[in-house]
Amino acid sequence: SQTIHQWPATLVQPVGSPLSLECTVEGTSNPNLYWYRQAAGRGLQLLFYSVGIGQISSEVPQNLSASRPQDRQFILSSKKLLLSDSGFYLCAWSTPTGYGTEAFFGQGTRLTVV
Amino acid sequence: KNEVEQSPQNLTAQEGEFITINCSYSVGISALHWLQQHPGGGIVSLFMLSSGKKKHGRLIATINIQEKHSSLHITASHPRDSAVYICAVKVGAQKLVFGQGTRLTINP
Repeated sequence: SQTIHQWPATLVQPVGSPLSLECTVEGTSNPNLYWYRQAAGRGLQLLFYSVGIGQISSEVPQNLSASRPQDRQFILSSKKLLLSDSGFYLCAWSTPTGYGTEAFFGQGTRLTVV
Repeated sequence: KNEVEQSPQNLTAQEGEFITINCSYSVGISALHWLQQHPGGGIVSLFMLSSGKKKHGRLIATINIQEKHSSLHITASHPRDSAVYICAVKVGAQKLVFGQGTRLTINP
């Protein structure tokens, strides 16, 4: 069966420090992968999505970057965190076949930048 | 205007009441998801719809493609149903676009 792992679950980082959040998927190949952010009291916002290794699309300009070094690994990074980067980050995957496919979510990482 | 609009944003009801949460979207979609997010943040997929109606236990989801509208119903609501319910639409083959969520509180 397919599973998605995201870590860490919580993270407190000082302003200006680097960030690396990792997400891995098991039980499927060539998934579409997504990073979302949910700021306090707001809906989920798509940050990045990837349809294959090394293929990253960015939805909003920001202080973050994403990479997909392997088919089932998706990494969210920052060189220098800002206070506004605080929020809840979710990794998700879906099958790339297009119509009527399920979406699956990791448990999320709650990031607090202090 | 957001591509996906949910209503209401907040809903408080008594245990046993019938609950309806609505979702309207303005883009062409290939599927619509109803998700449940608990206070810890984890998200569970409840339904994925591309037409018609689906039922799982006390939960029912419907979609009207022509009207670009979906509803999530909860029958005989219970305090454990308290959560944020999120509508998300799949646009093309790649993107999921989320509504703002509906915070549901069921009081005993």
